[in-house]
Amino acid sequence: DIQMTQSPSSLSASVGDRVTITCRASQSISSYLNWYQQKPGKAPKLLIYAASSLQSGVPSRFSGSGSGTDFTLTISSLQPEDFATYYCQQSYSTGVTFGQGTKLEIK
Amino acid sequence: QVQLVQSGAEVKKPGASVKVSCKASGYTFTSYYMHWVRQAPGQGLEWMGIINPSGGSTSYAQKFQGRVTMTRDTSTSTVYMELSSLRSEDTAVYYCARRQRLETMVRGFPVSYYGMDVWGQGTTVTVSS
Repeated sequence: DIQMTQSPSSLSASVGDRVTITCRASQSISSYLNWYQQKPGKAPKLLIYAASSLQSGVPSRFSGSGSGTDFTLTISSLQPEDFATYYCQQSYSTGVTFGQGTKLEIK
Repeated sequence: QVQLVQSGAEVKKPGASVKVSCKASGYTFTSYYMHWVRQAPGQGLEWMGIINPSGGSTSYAQKFQGRVTMTRDTSTSTVYMELSSLRSEDTAVYYCARRQRLETMVRGFPVSYYGMDVWGQGTTVTVSS
């Protein structure tokens, strides 16, 4: 199985901050990398697919980059509704795998 | 609108089985594969497997092989996930999620990627004696 490792596991930031979350794959996955946002008690929401493509309806302050094994999710200017947990997920193999999550909290 | 509606919460005893349903509406049921993902309390997301509603073919995570069965009923646009030999560690919220094909251009050529674009509301399964 392809292992996905996110860092940091948690992050405190303020409204208006720029934040970056990193995801590393245990082998090359080209650009087969998705990012999801999950709020407490809710199902995850697809934000970014193909490492850098914004899903329809997602605000442009979210962006993704990377290929191969190293990827980043950036939120350019944090809004109150962005405080949530973020997961990366590889879709390179049929058996998809998720990172362990990064919890973004209000400072 | 596109929607996945899951069955209600379940409480089961260790050793029992549970069957969770996921009813799709608002799109052509047989055109999209369906994933099952679970989330234990306070934990991350764990992929369990995927089913092709068109032909019924499945692929399961190694961890669940032999314990999970995914099926579908095309007449009701419903997929099912059955997990047997339940233990306390199976206490979790279980989600179905539609696999969407998403296309992007790479060096001038279209390339298909897959993401989970629509999710059910989740079904809580509690395993307790």
